[in-house]
Amino acid sequence: QVQLVQSGAEVKKPGASVKVSCKASGYRFIKYDINWVRQAAGQGLEWMGWVNPNGGDTGYAQKFQGRVTVTTDTSISTAYMELSSLTSEDTAVYFCARVKYTDNWSPAGFDFWGQGTPVTVSS
Amino acid sequence: SYELTQPPSVSVSPGQTASIPCSGDKLGEKYVCWYQQKPGQSPVLVIYQDDKRPSGIPERFSGSNSGNTATLTITGTQAMDEADYYCQAWDITKVFGGGSKLTVL
Repeated sequence: QVQLVQSGAEVKKPGASVKVSCKASGYRFIKYDINWVRQAAGQGLEWMGWVNPNGGDTGYAQKFQGRVTVTTDTSISTAYMELSSLTSEDTAVYFCARVKYTDNWSPAGFDFWGQGTPVTVSS
Repeated sequence: SYELTQPPSVSVSPGQTASIPCSGDKLGEKYVCWYQQKPGQSPVLVIYQDDKRPSGIPERFSGSNSGNTATLTITGTQAMDEADYYCQAWDITKVFGGGSKLTVL
């Protein structure tokens, strides 16, 4: 069965960087884009960016351009999201999510999600 | 940047029909997805490409999208449907709406 298992909770100081991992299993990793979404406490979902494991193409939300990097290591079926120059506003739960494709290979939402990684930024 | 607007809350009586709107400029020209999220859980895809249900999602969930508004409809709402619902426009960017808390009372 498809699973996305994320790394554990992180506590960081302002100005630091955080790198969250997302290990995929149960499917061919390189065939499905991975996206990253975050959610601050009591707030809504915020899309951050995506990566195509087959080639490494990426795209980012304008808000995070220059501060977020999404990568993959296909040898271990793992995606990573690194966010730099952290502030208290980056305190949130970070999710990875797999893109669903239809039979004719049309993208159709995020069908599998990781369990979420809490990141706390505090001095 | 593109924005999607949802009402913060929607209420419905058990067994009745709940409609959750999501508005955005020319939203009907994009595909829309809907997600259900219960407290402490990861979101679950309930509608994709405007009106299609993933395997395992009950038939009472349906969607539509036209003009500037997409709508998630839950027919015969059950207590278990109480959750936050988020729309998402599928484009180069995958922006989410602000979310709507559905209360079944």
